[in-house]
Amino acid sequence: ETGVTQTPRHLVMGMTNKKSLKCEQHLGHNAMYWYKQSAKKPLELMFVYNFKEQTENNSVPSRFSPECPNSSHLFLHLHTLQPEDSALYLCASSQDEGVNTEAFFGQGTRLTVV
Amino acid sequence: GENVEQHPSTLSVQEGDSAVIKCTYSDSASNYFPWYKQELGKRPQLIIDIRSNVGEKKDQRIAVTLNKTAKHFSLHITETQPEDSAVYFCAASNGWGKLQFGAGTQVVVTP
Repeated sequence: ETGVTQTPRHLVMGMTNKKSLKCEQHLGHNAMYWYKQSAKKPLELMFVYNFKEQTENNSVPSRFSPECPNSSHLFLHLHTLQPEDSALYLCASSQDEGVNTEAFFGQGTRLTVV
Repeated sequence: GENVEQHPSTLSVQEGDSAVIKCTYSDSASNYFPWYKQELGKRPQLIIDIRSNVGEKKDQRIAVTLNKTAKHFSLHITETQPEDSAVYFCAASNGWGKLQFGAGTQVVVTP
């Protein structure tokens, strides 16, 4: 599928590991988002980037570190995670953060911290 | 900040019957209310949205209503079919693109 692509689809990591999640969008959008989806909880907004600048950090622990080198790519760097960080991590993009338009989601990365 | 509550958490309906999911929001400045459908193992996808200047919107078998005074909005699915089985999320935004989602409703349509 085209649109918003996330890699890897599944990731198992130990608590001392360092890994990165990647998101790429081919929609020409200017805003990109990281969401966390845990079982029986609302989708939680983690970070927002608009025109490569971070505009929102929703009180996310520093063990999650986002990076947005350009409007098409978004990374989430992970280090010293906890088992409770296991979840589905979804990337999304939209035309612009300041305009209410549809957010397109990627397939997500299923993260398991052991 | 915005807080969105969604009910029920699970909904089982007979094929052909209607399904209704309700959401409330707290921020009176919210003006955009999308609904997303997430099938098992797939990404959330927008199915319908409504803006605060409209009270109702319909698209084939799905409709959304908005009551700004009461700060609640609802999704209505008529003539449900097995392919409507999924998790449905409501969301609200105050105009800055950041969506605040509800907890989701697992809809199961039984033949």
